[in-house]
Amino acid sequence: GAGVSQSPSNKVTEKGKDVELRCDPISGHTALYWYRQSLGQGLEFLIYFQGNSAPDKSGLPSDRFSAERTGGSVSTLTIQRTQQEDSAVYLCASSSGVTSTDTQYFGPGTRLTVL
Amino acid sequence: AQSVAQPEDQVNVAEGNPLTVKCTYSVSGNPYLFWYVQYPNRGLQFLLKYITGDNLVKGSYGFEAEFNKSQTSFHLKKPSALVSDSALYFCAVSYGNNRLAFGKGNQVVVIP
Repeated sequence: GAGVSQSPSNKVTEKGKDVELRCDPISGHTALYWYRQSLGQGLEFLIYFQGNSAPDKSGLPSDRFSAERTGGSVSTLTIQRTQQEDSAVYLCASSSGVTSTDTQYFGPGTRLTVL
Repeated sequence: AQSVAQPEDQVNVAEGNPLTVKCTYSVSGNPYLFWYVQYPNRGLQFLLKYITGDNLVKGSYGFEAEFNKSQTSFHLKKPSALVSDSALYFCAVSYGNNRLAFGKGNQVVVIP
């Protein structure tokens, strides 16, 4: 079956612009996660959705970052007023359950470059 | 806080030789441990996980991992490395709401 898909695969933007990153999870997966991968910070958790609600937003680095999920499926991560330090690969993952033993399956990522 | 450590930056191994990628963990409560592999410009691919039970876990592509509670380790192993195994390997621990905390990653280079 289809895996997790993300779009765009690459995004180049100018400092100060807003960007939207999209994630389509595996069909039927109730949980969705966003992570960020950067050279300096490694892989870090950003936010988690269970259905359409986000009970855990603790990893969002600033109030410029927000995310939503609609219809229990597609999620959008929005970064407002982008800064150069936002440059990273943004990875989305989904899992069928919400326990700590459920496997997360990752998409290919969106590489964001802020000039 | 839950964390994992991958002490080596790069692992070099000759093709056909055994491959080991090291991971140690620090958790409170039951450790739920995962290994993922990342090829260039790709996302993370799940290899295997330890939840409970048998300390030797078998996964995809011939990989296995040994859970050792006394040494708090979860090393990834493959009996005979292939050039195609060259990639970045991440160990991770699951905690609170199934968040994953990752190690820094190990670059594996398999030399033909």
